[in-house]
Amino acid sequence: GNSVTQMEGPVTLSEEAFLTINCTYTATGYPSLFWYVQYPGEGLQLLLKATKADDKGSNKGFEATYRKETTSFHLEKGSVQVSDSAVYFCALSRWSGGYQKVTFGIGTKLQVIP
Amino acid sequence: NAGVTQTPKFQVLKTGQSMTLQCAQDMNHEYMSWYRQDPGMGLRLIHYSVGAGITDQGEVPNGYNVSRSTTEDFPLRLLSAAPSQTSVYFCASSYGAGESYEQYFGPGTRLTVT
Repeated sequence: GNSVTQMEGPVTLSEEAFLTINCTYTATGYPSLFWYVQYPGEGLQLLLKATKADDKGSNKGFEATYRKETTSFHLEKGSVQVSDSAVYFCALSRWSGGYQKVTFGIGTKLQVIP
Repeated sequence: NAGVTQTPKFQVLKTGQSMTLQCAQDMNHEYMSWYRQDPGMGLRLIHYSVGAGITDQGEVPNGYNVSRSTTEDFPLRLLSAAPSQTSVYFCASSYGAGESYEQYFGPGTRLTVT
């Protein structure tokens, strides 16, 4: 079956540090890939996505590139801010049995300290 | 545009009680789903609907019922609450059921079963 692997964290960084959150996946075919972010006390919201190999998704200074050869979709940001503290979920989506089957990773908690 | 709304935000139930978690969206989305979020497990799909009158089971449907009489509303019913159903529940919707569509999440309902 499909699966998404990411570290649980927490990842603690100082403000302006470089961020990488690794995400690897297992799936048949070519899924769409997503990063969602969950701020404290809120639901998940889309951060970025990529729908085919070598696509780069980007938003709010975050980037991730769909790497088919390494089945990865690592999230990066050059300079994190305290406001980026949240839980980040990697997810893949495949059409399966008549519906959009979305498989989420366990979420990585990011703490940014001033 | 309120997006996806959920009520209540918090609920405490005793074992064996029943209740309904409410979910509504005002984006005219056809596809809606319910997830539960548990520590170390990411989000898991409970039930989904591809349109009014059409529902089906996800990964973890036992103990839950759904119905979809209108495009806007997708309530989740707990038939006889058990401690194992203590979790945070998220309702989500998307424009379509294709795998490239992002999902829009509500703020969640935190349920405790004692």
